[in-house]
This record gives sequence, structure tokens and C-alpha cells, in this order.
Amino acid sequence: GQNIDQPTEMTATEGAIVQINCTYQTSGFNGLFWYQQHAGEAPTFLSYNVLDGLEEKGRFSSFLSRSKGYSYLLLKELQMKDSASYLCAPMDSNYQLIWGAGTKLIIKP
Amino acid sequence: GAVVSQHPSWVICKSGTSVKIECRSLDFQATTMFWYRQFPKQSLMLMATSNEGSKATYEQGVEKDKFLINHASLTLSTLTVTSAHPEDSSFYICSASVGRDFHEQYFGPGTRLTVT
Repeated sequence: GQNIDQPTEMTATEGAIVQINCTYQTSGFNGLFWYQQHAGEAPTFLSYNVLDGLEEKGRFSSFLSRSKGYSYLLLKELQMKDSASYLCAPMDSNYQLIWGAGTKLIIKP
Repeated sequence: GAVVSQHPSWVICKSGTSVKIECRSLDFQATTMFWYRQFPKQSLMLMATSNEGSKATYEQGVEKDKFLINHASLTLSTLTVTSAHPEDSSFYICSASVGRDFHEQYFGPGTRLTVT
């Protein structure tokens, strides 16, 4: 079957760094997306990894290891507005995104 | 670029009535549009996938006759919830994708449906 595993909730301090881990099992693989979703809003795109390694985009970086079925999202210089849910979504062989429940990130001053 | 709009953003309707939700890609032509439903604190659940001019592909467990999807053009898809019931109350989100090799989905802002 297809499965996503992320921590349900994480807490971090404003200005700090946090890493959100994701392990996945899919039928085939066509890349992995990270989305941010604020409460009551639709997801917004953060990153896409299809090859192994680290992709850096401003304060956010995403890492992928296809052999391990593992990805992480790294958020630096945390701001209060980063409080949201972060969704790891791998894409299977049918180009369908597989969604988990996401990780709720709480930022404290 | 790559903006997707949804209308209405929220709607309250009485049980037994039908509600239509529109999803538009404003500045690009979407090869595929997706409809999702999300209950509080749960993951996105894909309801159906539609390509312009063809019938939608529904996910297992989603009633085709209850959730009518029409993909009339490369920029417009509609979801009609027929004979709505309180258990249909949810957050409905559409997304659109472009291109063949990079399948990023651009999400609309969502529609919150409350059935009384």
C-alpha cells in the first residue's frame, strides 16, 4: 500500500531552525512535494524534489533520499507566520499525489 | 502566475439542495484539474480527477451521481454537490496542473460548504 509518515505536531521557537521528517512508501515515484497549509486555507507549494539531495529556496530547504524513502523540510530563521501544517506529498507512478495528514508546526515567541 | 480561483469561498445551504462550486485557472491553461475534500484536522482526500472534454475519474468511494464534475474548458471545472446533506459539510479544494513532466498542482483557495 501507499503510506506517508510525518510527526503529527512539532513546536519550535521563533528565530530557530526546525526539521520536519517524512518517510513514504508509494507505488512508483515521480518526485515529492512539500506544501504549507495555514488553518482554513488551501495548501501552497513550497518545494519539489525528484533527484536525491538538497534543494534550497530562501529560508526553506528540502532534502530527498529515494533509496530510503525519506525526505525532510528544513525551516530556518523561524517566524511566527510559519505556524502552519506542512504536508509531504510524494507522487506515485500515475502522477497522483499521495497525501498524509501533515505536521502541525507551532512557533512560540 | 499560476493562479487558481474558486467561487464561492463559502456557502451555506439547506439539506436536500444542490450547490455548484467553480474552479478557474486565471492565467494558464490547465491540462488536468483535481477536486479534493478535507475534513478538520485530516488530510486532503482526492475526490476526482478531470481532463478537459472528458469524463472525470472518481476515486473509490466517491459517488459519481452525487458529486457531478464538469470540465468544460481548459480554464474551468465545476463541482456540483447534489442533494446535499449535513455530512457533506467540508472544505472543498480544487487544484490545476500544467505540463507533462512537472506535475505541480496549483491550489484554489477552497470553498467551505455548510449544509444545515
